Amino acid sequence: DAGITQSPRHKVTETGTPVTLRCHQTENHRYMYWYRQDPGHGLRLIHYSYGVKDTDKGEVSDGYSVSRSKTEDFLLTLESATSSQTSVYFCAISPRGQPTSGNTIYFGEGSWLTVV
Amino acid sequence: AQKVTQAQTEISVVEKEDVTLDCVYETRDTTYYLFWYKQPPSGELVFLIRRNSFDEQNEISGRYSWNFQKSTSSFNFTITASQVVDSAVYFCALSEGSSGNTGKLIFGQGTTLQVKP
Repeated sequence: DAGITQSPRHKVTETGTPVTLRCHQTENHRYMYWYRQDPGHGLRLIHYSYGVKDTDKGEVSDGYSVSRSKTEDFLLTLESATSSQTSVYFCAISPRGQPTSGNTIYFGEGSWLTVV
Repeated sequence: AQKVTQAQTEISVVEKEDVTLDCVYETRDTTYYLFWYKQPPSGELVFLIRRNSFDEQNEISGRYSWNFQKSTSSFNFTITASQVVDSAVYFCALSEGSSGNTGKLIFGQGTTLQVKP
């Protein structure tokens, strides 16, 4: 158990509405990530954070913003949801520091988002 | 450019058969890390193994074994005597060790393994 809680776990929303997904961790890990999973693409990085108020973009960041005002919470916001953002969203943490040192990334249980 | 290819989209075997999942990677870094994750039907991602680029020793854990070959840029995963509970999607992933890297994992497309009783 990596101590990661994602909410909501399932959500259906309408095109054009804002949506916020929350990732909560209990272990004060510095590095947190948001990935999306789509058929044929595996998982792709949206945004990541390396500390409170320190965030950066991943490879598929368009249409998404993030915030991290507390160590334990990493929020992913879709400002105006589109059907192409229908996906499964995974939060992840790297408990031993920077993953470029080969530290393992552990994933939350996922949030299923459908944009209709 | 970095890339991970899992050419097998779906594999179906009968219980107790051995099965090998292929993973081929591309990277220009000399230091990198390879991972396998399992995603059972319930949807969570379960970490299985991490391998460093400078350690080519094969690894065995129970019925699972991993064959890392830098010469062919492959990191294959074998399940011996497969069981129904092994049915899942398996992902191979790469993390590069170069400075300035985001630390992101680059995932393959995944291989769906179905083990029939």
